[in-house]
Amino acid sequence: QVQLVQSGAEVKKPGASVRVSCKASGYTFTSHHINWVRQAPGQGLEWVGWVNPQNGDRGYAQKFQDRVTMTWNTAMSTAYMELSGLRSEDTAVYFCGRANWGIDYWGQGTLVTVSS
Amino acid sequence: DIQMTQSPSSLSASVGDTVTITCRASQSISTYLIWYQQKPGKAPNLLIYAATSLQIGVPSRFSGSGFGTDFTLTITNLQPEDFAIYYCQQAYRTPLTFGGGTKVEIK
Repeated sequence: QVQLVQSGAEVKKPGASVRVSCKASGYTFTSHHINWVRQAPGQGLEWVGWVNPQNGDRGYAQKFQDRVTMTWNTAMSTAYMELSGLRSEDTAVYFCGRANWGIDYWGQGTLVTVSS
Repeated sequence: DIQMTQSPSSLSASVGDTVTITCRASQSISTYLIWYQQKPGKAPNLLIYAATSLQIGVPSRFSGSGFGTDFTLTITNLQPEDFAIYYCQQAYRTPLTFGGGTKVEIK
């Protein structure tokens, strides 16, 4: 069965960087884009960006353009999202999700807490 | 960016009721509209894609309609497990954008 398993919770200081991983199984990793979505505490869903593991295409939301990098490792069927220059407003649960007429499978979420 | 506006932001309903949630896009998105359900502490769950298509495994009491800018999610015969937050999302162009959510609470 399709599964996306994310790395564990992180606590970072302002200005630091964080990398979240998303390991996929149960399907051909390169056949679907991976989206990243975040959710601040008590708030709604916010799209961060996407990556196409088949051809390397990627796109980021404008507000993250200069701080986010999305990569992947095909051999490990794993996608990564790195966010730099962290600030308190980046405290959120970060989800990865498989794109297929919407996001049909989601990771369990990774809580990133930014605090001094 | 395409703005997605959901209404209401919350509603109270009883088991067995029919509830309707609306989502309006700031420009036409054809049928590139997705509905998700999210329960506390969990990832969202895809309910409806392409505005009207029911995702495999989702109960038939969920249905979607609409085209262009105005869309509706309807839940008939509301069940206890349906109390959750519902989000719409446009998949017409990036950046993907979500509605603000509708919380369905028990009356």
